Amino acid sequence: EPEVTQTPSHQVTQMGQEVILRCVPISNHLYFYWYRQILGQKVEFLVSFYNNEISEKSEIFDDQFSVERPDGSNFTLKIRSTKLEDSAMYFCASSEALPETTNEKLFFGSGTQLSVL
Amino acid sequence: LAKTTQPISMDSYEGQEVNITCSHNNIATNDYITWYQQFPSQGPRFIIQGYKTKVTNEVASLFIPADRKSSTLSLPRVSLSDTAVYYCLVGDPLGGGYNKLIFGAGTRLAVHP
Repeated sequence: EPEVTQTPSHQVTQMGQEVILRCVPISNHLYFYWYRQILGQKVEFLVSFYNNEISEKSEIFDDQFSVERPDGSNFTLKIRSTKLEDSAMYFCASSEALPETTNEKLFFGSGTQLSVL
Repeated sequence: LAKTTQPISMDSYEGQEVNITCSHNNIATNDYITWYQQFPSQGPRFIIQGYKTKVTNEVASLFIPADRKSSTLSLPRVSLSDTAVYYCLVGDPLGGGYNKLIFGAGTRLAVHP
């Protein structure tokens, strides 16, 4: 079964440093997402991306966050200046669904555990 | 915005059938109901999706009454490996599109030997 791949699986960084989390979505998918989950809390939506632009973002996704699809396969999340509270598991997801449909099925990666010290 | 309500936790024993009910009183006409499963330190995994009546796949069944204000995920003969958090979601429309899913707290299912 095709899967979403995320690298690295763990990332440790110092507060104030920039990090880039990488994802390879399923190849024929059109929608891409980033979610995060702080330990013990629920999965939170960050951003969705379609047709090379952000289609929706949450209030969490402030100016320190950015996303990019630099080539035909990778989808990245950049955090410009990390804070302690950015420590979380970050999940990338992709889906085939187009905006007009409602029956989205998201495929999630295994996540990148980000620890900000 | 269709909000969902489900039990915070449930306990079961191996071999039993588990039914997790989700309330979604404000579900919109075009919304589908989707259930995801999440194991510790893994991303959520799609289990089943439906619009009305009953849907069954190799993993679970989903029962949706005619008014669609609730749904029940049924896991037959659970095993220890079914211990996970189960999320009930409905489509979240934004303008003309449906381009994100909002996860609630989910139901933490613990299966005991």
